[in-house]
Amino acid sequence: SQQGEEDPQALSIQEGENATMNCSYKTSINNLQWYRQNSGRGLVHLILIRSNEREKHSGRLRVTLDTSKKSSSLLITASRAADTASYFCATGFKAAGNKLTFGGGTRVLVKP
Amino acid sequence: KAGVTQTPRYLIKTRGQQVTLSCSPISGHRSVSWYQQTPGQGLQFLFEYFSETQRNKGNFPGRFSGRQFSNSRSEMNVSTLELGDSALYLCASTASGKYEQYFGPGTRLTVT
Repeated sequence: SQQGEEDPQALSIQEGENATMNCSYKTSINNLQWYRQNSGRGLVHLILIRSNEREKHSGRLRVTLDTSKKSSSLLITASRAADTASYFCATGFKAAGNKLTFGGGTRVLVKP
Repeated sequence: KAGVTQTPRYLIKTRGQQVTLSCSPISGHRSVSWYQQTPGQGLQFLFEYFSETQRNKGNFPGRFSGRQFSNSRSEMNVSTLELGDSALYLCASTASGKYEQYFGPGTRLTVT
């Protein structure tokens, strides 16, 4: 079963706009990661945030984590057509080795 | 470094048959995890191997099995295939002490 839900399930924006997607999870975590997937291909790791961190940046990506609300958000600024993809959050637990539990994903369409 | 490779990329099998999928991790990575992705269930963890030992297992029937070799290459096997086993099977490798997973392109299995 999935750890949580992602919201929205789909997002359509114009190039240059920002895209925000949210992820909720159910249990305590050690880390939360975001991945991108293009058209049913392999996943690409975007960013990792540990449970003791609240915000992290990587290029045009900004991730926040609120462990009290068991939620995270991913912001993509100044989106490009190449950002069109599905985005997944995944949670890791210290006792579970490298097992990741994925959310349902957000499909993002960036229109040129 | 070369990325994670998976073979074959596409496979068509008939119900009742068995199938073996192969995954070669990034050089130096000793952990290999397998995931199943379907439109209905999303991304689900199958199992993780580390140094030839299964470290974690997801909630899948015993028809799903795997192994890891001394060179860290991993295989997964599905016996007595069912229509519901049609999916994209992804493997990922992880460096020791890290949490980020590097995914292969996947094997798309179709069961008819």
